[in-house]
Amino acid sequence: DAGVTQSPTHLIKTRGQQVTLRCSPKSGHDTVSWYQQALGQGPQFIFQYYEEEERQRGNFPDRFSGHQFPNYSSELNVNALLLGDSALYLCASSSTGGGDEKLFFGSGTQLSVL
Amino acid sequence: LAKTTQPISMDSYEGQEVNITCSHNNIATNDYITWYQQFPSQGPRFIIQGYKTKVTNEVASLFIPADRKSSTLSLPRVSLSDTAVYYCLVAPGNRKLIWGLGTSLAVNP
Repeated sequence: DAGVTQSPTHLIKTRGQQVTLRCSPKSGHDTVSWYQQALGQGPQFIFQYYEEEERQRGNFPDRFSGHQFPNYSSELNVNALLLGDSALYLCASSSTGGGDEKLFFGSGTQLSVL
Repeated sequence: LAKTTQPISMDSYEGQEVNITCSHNNIATNDYITWYQQFPSQGPRFIIQGYKTKVTNEVASLFIPADRKSSTLSLPRVSLSDTAVYYCLVAPGNRKLIWGLGTSLAVNP
């Protein structure tokens, strides 16, 4: 049973460019959350997708957008990249249901913006 | 969402028991307490979750007093591979979780 998979593992971009990160959730999971983690910090919530819709959003600008597909996989898009967007981007999947929804994380995509 | 406070760092030695306490004075009735472990350049990994009293699994124990204003993660007989950052989260589910800096645990030989 594959866990959460993210691609690519590493990415180097320059300022102003656009990037798309991909995530496949754990089998049986229908909810995908995206997090940004800067070095030495805890993960920061970007948004969560459920039933192909953005269910909740953190304090991130509109440059950050996402999508969820019918097979529950998801993409994170970041436009007009800034140096400060350099971080580890984490995808987490879960199964929406009761209050004890555990998150299962992928290994992340390390994005470097030069 | 309830805010949590936990020590920034802790040191221990192999074979010792490690207890990490998390304070969450404003915990709500429908909040669960969840702990995650994270190694460098990897995503966090779920360790344990509880609502009240004590929960134990093959990895750790979680102690929650009656008032639920704090919780203690207990790692029995730690090894070098337990060196990691440990996060305490309190929320009714997993939406818009607020992660702090966590506790950086260093296990020494």
